[in-house]
Amino acid sequence: DAKTTQPNSMESNEEEPVHLPCNHSTISGTDYIHWYRQLPSQGPEYVIHGLTSNVNNRMASLAIAEDRKSSTLILHRATLRDAAVYYCILRANFGNEKLTFGTGTRLTIIP
Amino acid sequence: NAGVMQNPRHLVRRRGQEARLRCSPVKGHSHVYWYRQLPEEGLKFMVYLQKENIIDESGMPKERFSAEFPKEGPSILRIQQVVRGDSAAYFCASSPPRRGPTDTQYFGPGTRLTVL
Repeated sequence: DAKTTQPNSMESNEEEPVHLPCNHSTISGTDYIHWYRQLPSQGPEYVIHGLTSNVNNRMASLAIAEDRKSSTLILHRATLRDAAVYYCILRANFGNEKLTFGTGTRLTIIP
Repeated sequence: NAGVMQNPRHLVRRRGQEARLRCSPVKGHSHVYWYRQLPEEGLKFMVYLQKENIIDESGMPKERFSAEFPKEGPSILRIQQVVRGDSAAYFCASSPPRRGPTDTQYFGPGTRLTVL
C-alpha cells in the first residue's frame, strides 16, 4: 500500500475551521483517498473519500491537490466533538480490502 | 438499523485462558474485518472474512489466534492461551457485498481485552 504522512498532532479553537493535511507522494492513479476518525474510546468512523475532485459531505470537505500527492481534510467549524485521531488512508483498486491505518493526526479542540 | 455490534465490550482473562470475541455486522453486510489496537498504538489489520470463508489473514498471529464467520450467527475471533501482550482493543468492521476502493467500513465499538 502507498504510504501516507500526517502531522502527529494539531490544535484548533472551537468554532474555527480546521485543515488537516496528508501527504501521499507515492499514490497511484487508481488509489482512492479515504479519511476516518477515531473518537476517544470508540471505533473508527468513516469521514469522507475522493479520487481526484474535491468532495463535500455533511461532516467535512476533502481538497485534493491537482497532482494528487497531497490532500487536506477540512472541518468547517470545529466543535469539541470533533476531537479525535484523524487517519488518511489510501485504498487501492479491486483486491485490496483492508484498511491500513498510519499514526494519524490527533486533533485537540480548544474551547 | 443497528450498526456493528461487538460483545463483550470488556473482557478480563487470566493468562492461559481462552478469549472469544463476537461481532455482529450491519444487517446485509457479508464482509467482516478484525483489527487490533495495542495500547498507545495505531490500528492493525488482522483478518478479513466473508461468510464461511477467510479471505485475507495476513495480519493474524500464526499461533493461538483464529477467526470464523459462519453462515449463521456472528463472527468470532478466538484467542487461545492468552498472554499479557494480547491485552488490546479489538475492533470489528463490516462492509456491504459490493467490493471496491470506494467501500466504506463500518466499525463496532470494540472489545477491550485485559489479560491479568
